[in-house]
Amino acid sequence: EAQVTQNPRYLITVTGKKLTVTCSQNMNHEYMSWYRQDPGLGLRQIYYSMNVEVTDKGDVPEGYKVSRKEKRNFPLILESPSPNQTSLYFCASSFSRGTGELFFGEGSRLTVL
Amino acid sequence: AQSVTQLGSHVSVSEGALVLLRCNYSSSVPPYLFWYVQYPNQGLQLLLKYTSAATLVKGINGFEAEFKKSETSFHLTKPSAHMSDAAEYFCAVRRAGNMLTFGGGTRLMVKP
Repeated sequence: EAQVTQNPRYLITVTGKKLTVTCSQNMNHEYMSWYRQDPGLGLRQIYYSMNVEVTDKGDVPEGYKVSRKEKRNFPLILESPSPNQTSLYFCASSFSRGTGELFFGEGSRLTVL
Repeated sequence: AQSVTQLGSHVSVSEGALVLLRCNYSSSVPPYLFWYVQYPNQGLQLLLKYTSAATLVKGINGFEAEFKKSETSFHLTKPSAHMSDAAEYFCAVRRAGNMLTFGGGTRLMVKP
């Protein structure tokens, strides 16, 4: 089954404790991206990757890091989480060519105390 | 720069009534436009997309949307709402490099 898998789905952590949210897709997509969803703001892009070893900032990259060492994986790293990073995070992927239809993971709800 | 505005963060309709969710976009180039649906505790799922072919686009679950260039709109409609349509709906426009810009979302509530 074609899917984007994120882990963990739920996480409560404390300020400053490094964490990683993993994302994996099995559709051989070149493009992968991370979004955060906050009430009234829709989805805002954090980082994206056009292919292996190619990443770039989205609209709200501060406080986040990413890496793309393999085509299928695109982890999101919070080196020193802060309460304003409490949010619902989505990973998405697509083929680089074509219409750009994104396939989304089920989301990771992060709470930073 | 491309942007998307969804009018109405909450829309309530009765079961069987017409659903109309509004989306206006700004784009400097002919746009690719999308509607996504998000059910509770789930990720976003593509409802339909406009890619410069037919201006009236049909999607899943009986939804459709019409691209109107003169009005820079891409409103989502469904003739008869069902309880299972209750969800949050997002309009999005494609930017360069496969990036999507999303609107703020509209939560659809369906009353019995």
